[in-house]
Amino acid sequence: DAGVTQSPTHLIKTRGQQVTLRCSPKSGHDTVSWYQQALGQGPQFIFQYYEEEERQRGNFPDRFSGHQFPNYSSELNVNALLLGDSALYLCASSLVVAGELFFGEGSRLTVL
Amino acid sequence: DAKTTQPPSMDCAEGRAANLPCNHSTISGNEYVYWYRQIHSQGPQYIIHGLKNNETNEMASLIITEDRKSSTLILPHATLRDTAVYYCIVRVGDYGQNFVFGPGTRLSVLP
Repeated sequence: DAGVTQSPTHLIKTRGQQVTLRCSPKSGHDTVSWYQQALGQGPQFIFQYYEEEERQRGNFPDRFSGHQFPNYSSELNVNALLLGDSALYLCASSLVVAGELFFGEGSRLTVL
Repeated sequence: DAKTTQPPSMDCAEGRAANLPCNHSTISGNEYVYWYRQIHSQGPQYIIHGLKNNETNEMASLIITEDRKSSTLILPHATLRDTAVYYCIVRVGDYGQNFVFGPGTRLSVLP
C-alpha cells in the first residue's frame, strides 16, 4: 500500500517563475493538506482540500493556490516566486476530515 | 502560533527511556494532543495521540496530566534511530485538520 507520494522531490527555480507541486494521497484518503517548512523551522499550514474544495487556509498570500482532483490527488501552485519561498513543501493526507495526518517526503524547492 | 511549548533540545542515552515534555495550558476540552517526529529531511511521522487517558502503542506511550495542561511522550528504550525532532501538537480548526507545529524538541540519542 503506497503512502503519500510527492513529485518532484527536488527542483530549482528563479525569482518570478511559477511552480507546480503534485501529491497523491495514501490509498483511501480523501483529504489533502499542504505545509511549508523553512530550514530549521516546523511545518507551517498552507491549506487543506476536501471534496475538491479549499476548506481551510493558513496565513499565506494568494500567490499560493491549489487544486484537488476527483481521484483525491492534489496540486500546489506558487506564482511569482520569491527567494523566501525556498522550503520543503509537505503534503499530508487523512482518511476522514478529522483523522491523523500521513505525510509525504516532501518537495524541496530552491528559488535562486 | 503554536499552542504548545517544548524544550528546544534533549539528550538521551541509548537503551534508556526518553521522556519528552510538552505544555499545552490553553487546551480546550475537545482538543487532542498529537505527537509527530521528523527525522532529518524526511516528512513528519505520526507517533501517537490522546484526549484524556494515557495511550500506548508499539512506538511510544503518551501520559496526559489530569488537568490536561501538559503531557509527556515516552520512548521506552531509545535507539540511535530515534534521533529526530519531536513535535507536540494540539489539533485546532473546524475540520480538525489544521495542525499547528511549533519548533519541536530535537532529541539526540547518544551511544
